[in-house]
Amino acid sequence: EAQVTQNPRYLITVTGKKLTVTCSQNMNHEYMSWYRQDPGLGLRQIYYSMNVEVTDKGDVPEGYKVSRKEKRNFPLILESPSPNQTSLYFCASSPRDSGVWDSPLHFGNGTRLTVT
Amino acid sequence: AQSVTQLGSHVSVSEGALVLLRCNYSSSVPPYLFWYVQYPNQGLQLLLKYTSAATLVKGINGFEAEFKKSETSFHLTKPSAHMSDAAEYFCAGHSGGYQKVTFGIGTKLQVIP
Repeated sequence: EAQVTQNPRYLITVTGKKLTVTCSQNMNHEYMSWYRQDPGLGLRQIYYSMNVEVTDKGDVPEGYKVSRKEKRNFPLILESPSPNQTSLYFCASSPRDSGVWDSPLHFGNGTRLTVT
Repeated sequence: AQSVTQLGSHVSVSEGALVLLRCNYSSSVPPYLFWYVQYPNQGLQLLLKYTSAATLVKGINGFEAEFKKSETSFHLTKPSAHMSDAAEYFCAGHSGGYQKVTFGIGTKLQVIP
């Protein structure tokens, strides 16, 4: 089954304790992206990646890191989480091959992160 | 740069009534526009997308949207609401290339029996 898999679904941690949220897709998509969803703000892009070893900042990159060493994986790293990073996080992927700009995003089921 | 505005963060309709969710875009180039739906505790899934081939786009679950360049709008409609339509709906867009996709703030649809 074609899917984007995020882990974990729920995560409670304390301020300053490094964490990684994993994201993997099995559709051979080039484009991957991370979003955070907050009430009243919709989805805001954190980072995106056009292909392996190519990443770029979205609207709200502060406090986050990403890497794209393999095409299928795009982990989100919080080196020193703070309470304002408490949110619902989504990973998404898309073929978005050159010229096919109407390809939609395929989303994972989300990771609800709470930082105390 | 592309931006997307959704009017109304909450919309309530009676079962069987018309659903109208509003989305306006701002772009200097032809946009690529999408509507996504999010059911509780799930990720977003595609409802429909605008391509330049047709201004009236039909999606899943009886939804459709009309692209109006003169009004810079891409409103989502459904003739008759069903209880199962209760969800949050997001309009999204980008201007082509590998630019970021911009989402609206979302509209929560409540369907009243």
